[in-house]
Formats: sequence, structure tokens, C-alpha cells
Amino acid sequence: GAVVSQHPSWVICKSGTSVKIECRSLDFQATTMFWYRQFPKQSLMLMATSNEGSKATYEQGVEKDKFLINHASLTLSTLTVTSAHPEDSSFYICSASWSHGTSLGWQYFGPGTRLTVT
Amino acid sequence: DQQVKQNSPSLSVQEGRISILNCDYTNSMFDYFLWYKKYPAEGPTFLISISSIKDKNEDGRFTVFLNKSAKHLSLHIVPSQPGDSAVYFCAATTNRDDKIIFGKGTRLHILP
Repeated sequence: GAVVSQHPSWVICKSGTSVKIECRSLDFQATTMFWYRQFPKQSLMLMATSNEGSKATYEQGVEKDKFLINHASLTLSTLTVTSAHPEDSSFYICSASWSHGTSLGWQYFGPGTRLTVT
Repeated sequence: DQQVKQNSPSLSVQEGRISILNCDYTNSMFDYFLWYKKYPAEGPTFLISISSIKDKNEDGRFTVFLNKSAKHLSLHIVPSQPGDSAVYFCAATTNRDDKIIFGKGTRLHILP
């Protein structure tokens, strides 16, 4: 199946700093990438949807200025957590899809990134 | 408002027996349902899916049943194996977009 990678897999940062997480589709061109966040013992919550070359669409309640998403190419999307705080500590997962909505393309998930803000 | 509900946070099943994981949904616009398996600190991996025009889909040890009138689906794993111990997420989507709505997951423990 298709492969999606994330880097880093684990990051610790100090409160107030910014952290960038990369999501790459390794063997296909991802027209759409999704960013999820998972809290302990909770569901995966969709944060935003990004289509290559356009601005991300954020879900209600997600601060777009805090979680900056860039999808500059068909194989790379980045999520930058700006001015991170301990409450941003979470497991962030990306997924990639090659469909544009009308037909369901499979979403392939990355392995996730554990962010710990101290 | 939770559109996809997995009311059992955990389930323990003896190895070799059948595991049945349940899922309910509220949005009648959902027309595609998926099950994902997830190990700790890893991303979810796709298991099996079903379209709303079907009521059953089978793939090896995994079978998904859909009851549209009850807005209920279930995942059957038989026979259960130790490697099946994981968290299973039920998810749903519509053909209008690619957004996948996940349930909270059910942790399955396969007992020796």
C-alpha cells in the first residue's frame, strides 16, 4: 500500500517555541492531506484539510494562527505549532489522499508525531 | 455532537473466539464506513470498509456488517488472534468530501 511518513516521530520542546512536523507521501502524489490530533484515550480529531497549493481548511475550534499548515507540493505538507504550550502536547497524525472529494480516495496515515511541550 | 460512537471503550476476548466490535452513527448522510486498527504511538492502519449500499463485506478473518435502518455497524474478527490486540476505530465519511469522522475507539484485548 501507499506509504506516508512523518518527521520527527517524537519531539520535546520548551514552552513558547515553535515546532514543525513534516508529512510526506513517499510513493504517490497527495492532492489532499489531513492533520489529526489524538488526545489520550480519545478519538482522532481532524484539525484541518489541505489541498496542494491552496490554503488549509480548518475545523471549527482549531486556531489557524497557532497551527500553521503548508502544503507546498504534492508530496509534502507541514504543520507548525507556533508558540507551543504544554496543552499542545499531543499525538499528531497526518494522512494523505489522492482524491479531491467526489470519489473516495483512500487516506493513508502516517505513523504520527508525539509532541511534548515542557 | 459525536457523529460516530463506539460505546465500549474496551473488550476482552479469548484467543480463537469471535471478537465483535460495535459502532453507531447519527449522520444519515454517511455513505461509507471504515474500520482502522491502531497500535500505541503509531498511525491507524486501514482494515476493512463497507459502502452504504451493502450490508456485509468480508475480508479473511474480518467481516463488517452494516444495518442502515439502525445506523449501526459491527466488525467481526474470527478467529481472534493475539496480534489483534489493539485499538479499533470505527469511522465514517460521505462521498461529498474526504473528511473521515472517527469514533473514540475500542481497545481489544485477546486473552491467551
